[in-house]
Amino acid sequence: EPEVTQTPSHQVTQMGQEVILRCVPISNHLYFYWYRQILGQKVEFLVSFYNNEISEKSEIFDDQFSVERPDGSNFTLKIRSTKLEDSAMYFCASTRGPEEGQETQYFGPGTRLLVL
Amino acid sequence: RKEVEQDPGPFNVPEGATVAFNCTYSNSASQSFFWYRQDCRKEPKLLMSVYSSGNEDGRFTAQLNRASQYISLLIRDSKLSDSATYLCVMTTDSWGKLQFGAGTQVVVTP
Repeated sequence: EPEVTQTPSHQVTQMGQEVILRCVPISNHLYFYWYRQILGQKVEFLVSFYNNEISEKSEIFDDQFSVERPDGSNFTLKIRSTKLEDSAMYFCASTRGPEEGQETQYFGPGTRLLVL
Repeated sequence: RKEVEQDPGPFNVPEGATVAFNCTYSNSASQSFFWYRQDCRKEPKLLMSVYSSGNEDGRFTAQLNRASQYISLLIRDSKLSDSATYLCVMTTDSWGKLQFGAGTQVVVTP
């Protein structure tokens, strides 16, 4: 069964450093998402991406965040200058489309980011 | 009021018993509804979609009540492997953004 993959599984970084989290969505999917989950809290939407551009972003997704689909398979989340509060599990998800019957989002296993 | 509200639990359930819990939501524009399960430190995984007519998938039954703005999940004949956090999830726009509840923890005991 096709699955979403994410690398790395864990990332430790110093405050102020840049990190890039990588995702490979399911190959025939067209809509891509990043979510995060701070330890002990609910999953929160960060950004959706379709047709090579951001379709929607949350208040969390400020100027420090960016997303890119550099080639036909990878989907990346960059945090330019990490803050302590960026420590969380970051999940990538993809779906064929938001239309009924296709809207199931499949999640990757996540990248656990720890900012020191 | 939280946009998606769930009883955090835990619901301690003897193996073989039935457990049921609800989720209420405040946005009447919510479009599609789902139950996901999340195991400790793992990704959310779709359990089932929820339809207005109610739907069943094996031991799991989900209901949607748009008038009262809640969805429910019932698990029959609980298994030890059903121990997890159950997330109430919905979409509120055409881009498919998912909105999550904080989850209901279920612990099935032998």
